[in-house]
Amino acid sequence: EAQVTQNPRYLITVTGKKLTVTCSQNMNHEYMSWYRQDPGLGLRQIYYSMNVEVTDKGDVPEGYKVSRKEKRNFPLILESPSPNQTSLYFCASSSRIATSGGTDTQYFGPGTRLTVL
Amino acid sequence: GQQLNQSPQSMFIQEGEDVSMNCTSSSIFNTWLWYKQDPGEGPVLLIALYKAGELTSNGRLTAQFGITRKDSFLNISASIPSDVGIYFCAGQLYGGSYIPTFGRGTSLIVHP
Repeated sequence: EAQVTQNPRYLITVTGKKLTVTCSQNMNHEYMSWYRQDPGLGLRQIYYSMNVEVTDKGDVPEGYKVSRKEKRNFPLILESPSPNQTSLYFCASSSRIATSGGTDTQYFGPGTRLTVL
Repeated sequence: GQQLNQSPQSMFIQEGEDVSMNCTSSSIFNTWLWYKQDPGEGPVLLIALYKAGELTSNGRLTAQFGITRKDSFLNISASIPSDVGIYFCAGQLYGGSYIPTFGRGTSLIVHP
């Protein structure tokens, strides 16, 4: 089954304690990205990756890091979490090819709800 | 970063009513996408539009790619309780990062 998995699904932590949220996809997709979702703000992109070892900042990258050492995995790292990073996080992946008739659909993971105290 | 203007922000309707929502942008897109997010889940693609003026249906859902390429509309006919959720539009421009720009969502509540 084609899917994007995230772990953990729920996390409560304290300010300053480093954490990593894992993301893995089994569709051999080249593109992966991280979003955060906050009430009234929709989905905002944090970082994206166009391929292995190729990452770039999205709209709200401050306080986050990512790595793409393997095609299937794209972990999100919070080196020193702060309360304003309390949010719902989604990982997504899509195939690279985007044509006028193709579906460059992003497949989303189930989400990770993070609370930073 | 750019965000799309999606309206309305929320809708409270009776079962059986039709629903309309739209997204507008200050810049053009090559693709418009409509997603639905159920509570506790990630967004799921409903309809993808690739050409200006295109009208596409998926069951009771119909979406249109605006002729100016700066807007899109989603209609849901004869709503049912399972239509409850948050609907997001997203615009995508080829030649860039291929990553969509999302609207802020329309929250739909359907009363039985």
